[in-house]
Amino acid sequence: DAGVIQSPRHEVTEMGQEVTLRCKPISGHNSLFWYRQTMMRGLELLIYFNNNVPIDDSGMPEDRFSAKMPNASFSTLKIQPSEPRDSAVYFCASSLAPSVISWGRGQGEAFFGQGTRLTVV
Amino acid sequence: RKEVEQDPGPFNVPEGATVAFNCTYSNSASQSFFWYRQDCRKEPKLLMSVYSSGNEDGRFTAQLNRASQYISLLIRDSKLSDSATYLCVVGPSGNTPLVFGKGTRLSVIA
Repeated sequence: DAGVIQSPRHEVTEMGQEVTLRCKPISGHNSLFWYRQTMMRGLELLIYFNNNVPIDDSGMPEDRFSAKMPNASFSTLKIQPSEPRDSAVYFCASSLAPSVISWGRGQGEAFFGQGTRLTVV
Repeated sequence: RKEVEQDPGPFNVPEGATVAFNCTYSNSASQSFFWYRQDCRKEPKLLMSVYSSGNEDGRFTAQLNRASQYISLLIRDSKLSDSATYLCVVGPSGNTPLVFGKGTRLSVIA
């Protein structure tokens, strides 16, 4: 299996531009997560999909951020317009898990992509 | 209180030392517990799950104390290759399946 695939690996963009990050989860996984990692705040969950449906988007910073999962094999995270404070590493992760209410012992290992390092100048 | 708290370190230890990391979590309804490892400029990867009875994998031992809402990771006979950030992960919490701590940085020195 190729694992979780993210693109691009690196993105440098000017403030105000639109940025689209892409993710292909592991085939057969039914949960997908977008995380953002910075030195100051660590790894923060932005949004979580289960069976292509957004379950929790409370971590999405503001209206400039949006995420979609049109099918089980693809998701996007869009920032429009981008700002310098959005600079971070964005990780996508996928998992094979039951619905969140029935997570049990040892279930739900998340497999991460290699991340997209975003720099907004 | 933060959902998952860890001592950020860094822990600087000599090769061969034993080092222990601790983690506390706030949601008593959590059911799944993990330790992840993250190397510099890489993605997090699962190190081991943490079971109520405690579990061991080679030089690594994980313990869970539900009453105190406390998780630990013990590394024996540290190797240079153990240098990394160790993330405590707990779930679920509300609608969020997994909550990550900020990590504890370990440097093993020759």
